[in-house]
Amino acid sequence: DARVTQTPRHKVTEMGQEVTMRCQPILGHNTVFWYRQTMMQGLELLAYFRNRAPLDDSGMPKDRFSAEMPDATLATLKIQPSEPRDSAVYFCASGPSSYEQYFGPGTRLTVT
Amino acid sequence: KQEVTQIPAALSVPEGENLVLNCSFTDSAIYNLQWFRQDPGKGLTSLLLIQSSQREQTSGRLNASLDKSSGRSTLYIAASQPGDSATYLCAVRPRGGGADGLTFGKGTHLIIQP
Repeated sequence: DARVTQTPRHKVTEMGQEVTMRCQPILGHNTVFWYRQTMMQGLELLAYFRNRAPLDDSGMPKDRFSAEMPDATLATLKIQPSEPRDSAVYFCASGPSSYEQYFGPGTRLTVT
Repeated sequence: KQEVTQIPAALSVPEGENLVLNCSFTDSAIYNLQWFRQDPGKGLTSLLLIQSSQREQTSGRLNASLDKSSGRSTLYIAASQPGDSATYLCAVRPRGGGADGLTFGKGTHLIIQP
């Protein structure tokens, strides 16, 4: 049963620390997305990749967030330095095409 | 900018009732619309996907309709069960398909009372 996996599932860190979240897309999927979910804003698109190339990261605060795909089996989202307002659940999703996205379980980030 | 609105924000009904969740979007230039279910502390599970050329999709007790011209979709749940309790999210993908990300509504939190 192929699934998107994300690590860590939970992360608590202090303000100013670097945070790295990882995602393993479903094998064979060529599209990867990062979303952030908060109570106030709901789910928001942060960035997406096709064939490992970033196509849009306009949803990310550029000064502190960065997203990469070092290889086809790994996508990373980094926050440096982290701030309390970054507290949210971060979801990764992958898709075999433009038609569908399969979501991972999320990383719940708390920045104190 | 596309905006997706879901009404109601929360709904509590007795078991066995049929119910309708509503979703509206401001830009009708969509590629498709997708309904998801999210359980507390979990990720999103896709329920139904409707292409822009389609009017409805059905899966078991779920039926989703799409009226693209009016910017509306509904999710109909028949004979609701306590296991249907979850947050239901509507999302649209812009025309041009490609790898464009989804724009989500804030969801309807559904509770089915046993």
